[in-house]
Amino acid sequence: AQKVTQAQTEISVVEKEDVTLDCVYETRDTTYYLFWYKQPPSGELVFLIRRNSFDEQNEISGRYSWNFQKSTSSFNFTITASQVVDSAVYFCALKRGSQGNLIFGKGTKLSVKP
Amino acid sequence: NAGVTQTPKFQVLKTGQSMTLQCAQDMNHEYMSWYRQDPGMGLRLIHYSVGAGITDQGEVPNGYNVSRSTTEDFPLRLLSAAPSQTSVYFCASYDRQGGGNTIYFGEGSWLTVV
Repeated sequence: AQKVTQAQTEISVVEKEDVTLDCVYETRDTTYYLFWYKQPPSGELVFLIRRNSFDEQNEISGRYSWNFQKSTSSFNFTITASQVVDSAVYFCALKRGSQGNLIFGKGTKLSVKP
Repeated sequence: NAGVTQTPKFQVLKTGQSMTLQCAQDMNHEYMSWYRQDPGMGLRLIHYSVGAGITDQGEVPNGYNVSRSTTEDFPLRLLSAAPSQTSVYFCASYDRQGGGNTIYFGEGSWLTVV
């Protein structure tokens, strides 16, 4: 069975704090892809990152970084020096190798207060 | 380059009414999907299609019909709307042949059934 767990339902931080959003996944596939999406208050889904199961390199993009660890089936997302504009719901998702459907976690609502 | 276009963006229905959510993509993608998003539930797959003339059920298909007569269009039909179908609906497309593993989402359709 495929499953994505985002245990943190809501997180509230003060601006400039670092925050990590957790994502744990379950799959028996050897080829799979992991995604993070941001959903701001306006409602659209904004693609942040995609990782395939064969690439465990951590990724950094500006204030965003991702830590992919197959040993713990985790794909965690860290925002450094958070800003108010980071306030959103963040979804982690899993895709099987050749299929086009995503299995989403329930999302983590991040509130960054000034 | 329109990507994935969903219409309408907002709709209010009365219980028992029928309606169709439209989804069109201009990228010649074989794979298209419909998801619904409910508070605290993440996005869940309703129906998907791997090509014209082929559709299949996802996790929450009850109360919805789909068809895929062309590659471009994948409408979602509610035959007799129920308050439980109040949700945000997202259409997505995926280029299975391209190998890019990028999934494109529409901007969402907010549906309220009263």
